[in-house]
Amino acid sequence: NAGVTQTPKFQVLKTGQSMTLQCAQDMNHNSMYWYRQDPGMGLRLIYYSASEGTTDKGEVPNGYNVSRLNKREFSLRLESAAPSQTSVYFCASSELGQGSLGAFFGQGTRLTVV
Amino acid sequence: AQKITQTQPGMFVQEKEAVTLDCTYDTSDQSYGLFWYKQPSSGEMIFLIYQGSYDEQNATEGRYSLNFQKARKSANLVISASQLGDSAMYFCAMREESFTGANSKLTFGKGITLSVRP
Repeated sequence: NAGVTQTPKFQVLKTGQSMTLQCAQDMNHNSMYWYRQDPGMGLRLIYYSASEGTTDKGEVPNGYNVSRLNKREFSLRLESAAPSQTSVYFCASSELGQGSLGAFFGQGTRLTVV
Repeated sequence: AQKITQTQPGMFVQEKEAVTLDCTYDTSDQSYGLFWYKQPSSGEMIFLIYQGSYDEQNATEGRYSLNFQKARKSANLVISASQLGDSAMYFCAMREESFTGANSKLTFGKGITLSVRP
């Protein structure tokens, strides 16, 4: 099925460990996004990529890095995880000119840092 | 900078009645899009409706309609004939839509919890 695939769905890390969240979309979208969702805070943008080869900081980029590997894939890396990064992470993609279709979201990754 | 504001506390509505969820936004862009998403307790993000800043008519999708007031910078979601399955968190979002595609940031509000009473 077409859509956005995020891996893993669940992860527990120890403080200081690193990990990469993977995201891939098969809809040929130019724009991709990474969000974190915390209770009462809504979805906060971490990084986004307007097109292949470009990335920009969002609202809460500290402690994260991203790579737009190609048009399909946009990964999020935590170099040294901290308990404050415990959250649910969502990847999304969208395309200008297709607003009526909305932005497509992955199923989310529930990350716990202990 | 973009900003989305959803200030209503938890909302309650009686089944089969209509409810309005408020959203105001702030942007300096001339071209932008407004979105509403539903997030049930299962956690997935479900796209409901979209309104382009240059669309002259309010968007409608089934029981959902978007009351777009550009001068007031508001984009309220109206759900008609509420159903028990409408109980969820609702998010308003905005995306810059420049023709170059260089600015496509998609920003969300903090969300509103809607509970439908039988």
